[in-house]
Amino acid sequence: AQSVTQLGSHVSVSEGALVLLRCNYSSSVPPYLFWYVQYPNQGLQLLLKYTSAATLVKGINGFEAEFKKSETSFHLTKPSAHMSDAAEYFCAVTGFGNEKLTFGTGTRLTIIP
Amino acid sequence: NAGVTQTPKFRILKIGQSMTLQCTQDMNHNYMYWYRQDPGMGLKLIYYSVGAGITDKGEVPNGYNVSRSTTEDFPLRLELAAPSQTSVYFCASRQIIRGIDYGYTFGSGTRLTVV
Repeated sequence: AQSVTQLGSHVSVSEGALVLLRCNYSSSVPPYLFWYVQYPNQGLQLLLKYTSAATLVKGINGFEAEFKKSETSFHLTKPSAHMSDAAEYFCAVTGFGNEKLTFGTGTRLTIIP
Repeated sequence: NAGVTQTPKFRILKIGQSMTLQCTQDMNHNYMYWYRQDPGMGLKLIYYSVGAGITDKGEVPNGYNVSRSTTEDFPLRLELAAPSQTSVYFCASRQIIRGIDYGYTFGSGTRLTVV
């Protein structure tokens, strides 16, 4: 069984500040982890993914995430927030041989000018 | 290269009506999925398919049916629409070849309102 917990349903940061979105996972098999972004009235777009290679994963739009097995975490960061980063972000988990992708409940990121 | 195409984009149904949400992919992916998205709830898996002719239930299958007669198409059927089925529906496909997971591709969604 697999599950994902996203801490904080809403996060607000000032433009230019650090973005940190938290994700903790539970998995009975080695996990594959994903971050997706959803802009208003649009579908999901893959930001980055971890599939057991390098633990620090770089994605699009300056985002990155670090897989920490000891903490069962996969937090998403960006050094400097931009107004265009305002969106909803979803963490998701699956595993090799697992047929299903399980999503967290999402974190809505607001950027303060 | 169209990817995953969902139709319609928007639909309003009356209680008790039926409809089919269409999903087609042109990437020859073997896995396909239907999710629903409700505010504050993330995405919940309704049904999925690991190949043509094979379907299985996800977390929230009640009130829905699917079929997978071809690799490309994975329609979702609502037989008796209920207000609880008001949601945004996403179709996705995924390719796994010789143990390598090439990841998921999502459609742009169908916004359904049942009144």
